[in-house]
Amino acid sequence: DAGVIQSPRHEVTEMGQEVTLRCKPISGHNSLFWYRQTMMRGLELLIYFNNNVPIDDSGMPEDRFSAKMPNASFSTLKIQPSEPRDSAVYFCASSLFSQGGWETQYFGPGTRLLVL
Amino acid sequence: AQSVAQPEDQVNVAEGNPLTVKCTYSVSGNPYLFWYVQYPNRGLQFLLKYITGDNLVKGSYGFEAEFNKSQTSFHLKKPSALVSDSALYFCAVRDITSETGANNLFFGTGTRLTVIP
Repeated sequence: DAGVIQSPRHEVTEMGQEVTLRCKPISGHNSLFWYRQTMMRGLELLIYFNNNVPIDDSGMPEDRFSAKMPNASFSTLKIQPSEPRDSAVYFCASSLFSQGGWETQYFGPGTRLLVL
Repeated sequence: AQSVAQPEDQVNVAEGNPLTVKCTYSVSGNPYLFWYVQYPNRGLQFLLKYITGDNLVKGSYGFEAEFNKSQTSFHLKKPSALVSDSALYFCAVRDITSETGANNLFFGTGTRLTVIP
């Protein structure tokens, strides 16, 4: 299995520009998680989906952030407009969810975002 | 509420010595507990997990962790540290009795392990 795939791996953009991060979960997994990692705040859960439906988006910082999962094999995290404080490493993770289950999350390699 | 605490930001240990990375948790019900490792410029990698059963869990790369319900701890251990074990280690918990059925994990702040040659 190819594991969780994220693209791009690195992104440098200017303040005010739109940024779109992409994630392909492991085939067969039905839960998908977006995290952000910074030195100051550590690892933060932004949003997660079960069966393509957003379950908890309480970690999304503000309205500039949006996430979609149009199908089981693809998700996007969009920042519009981007700001320098959005600079971080963004991770996608996937797992196989079942009620009362004990699924393990598998992480992608991350997208390193720098907003100038 | 669910949470984990990793009381040490940094742990230094000499190569060949045993290592311990500490984690304590707080859940209202029964916990699922995980350890992940992150190498530089990489995503988090799953090391091991505790669900039920034997309190001593063995995982990848010779690591093990001991679940202690009375102390609400899940410390990561290895009998003999390698320089290649130097990385950032995260403890995580999920409350399996969560009424919401939520399956997200709560991660600690991470402990940076440095193994000194």
